[in-house]
Amino acid sequence: GNSVTQMEGPVTLSEEAFLTINCTYTATGYPSLFWYVQYPGEGLQLLLKATKADDKGSNKGFEATYRKETTSFHLEKGSVQVSDSAVYFCALTQGGSEKLVFGKGTKLTVNP
Amino acid sequence: GAVVSQHPSWVICKSGTSVKIECRSLDFQATTMFWYRQFPKQSLMLMATSNEGSKATYEQGVEKDKFLINHASLTLSTLTVTSAHPEDSSFYICSARGLAGGWNIQYFGAGTRLSVL
Repeated sequence: GNSVTQMEGPVTLSEEAFLTINCTYTATGYPSLFWYVQYPGEGLQLLLKATKADDKGSNKGFEATYRKETTSFHLEKGSVQVSDSAVYFCALTQGGSEKLVFGKGTKLTVNP
Repeated sequence: GAVVSQHPSWVICKSGTSVKIECRSLDFQATTMFWYRQFPKQSLMLMATSNEGSKATYEQGVEKDKFLINHASLTLSTLTVTSAHPEDSSFYICSARGLAGGWNIQYFGAGTRLSVL
């Protein structure tokens, strides 16, 4: 079945550091890929998405590129801020279904 | 943006009692809502899809008599954990389907932590 694997956390960085959170997936066909972010005390929010190979999703300085050859959708940001501290979830949907399959989440803490 | 409110945020109950969790879409109508369960350090697992005015569709392995879902209006879905036991202790999250930029996406509530004593 479909699955998402993302790097184990927690990840702790200093402000302005470069961020990468790895995400790989297993799916048949061509899934749509997502990154969600959950700030403390809030619900998950869609951060960015990509629906086909080589698409790049971007939002709030975060980027992720849909790599079919490596079945990956790594999240990157060039310079993190304290306000980026949150839990990040990689997810996919498949074949027109709305069912989201999530990774376990990666907790990011950014220190001033 | 669209807001989904989930209530309560935390509930403690005795074993054998039932607990109801509400999920409301505050500023949009949601014909479809989703209920997830999350164990510590695990991913969110879809439990069921709730459609307004019809029976919920449960995922394989989820007991429909244990987790009763009612989607009586376009802005409210409820999850009732019946005869709760300690193994039902978990974090329950709902989402509501809405439109954003021409895409159907899920807007999530903040979750409900259930502790069964």
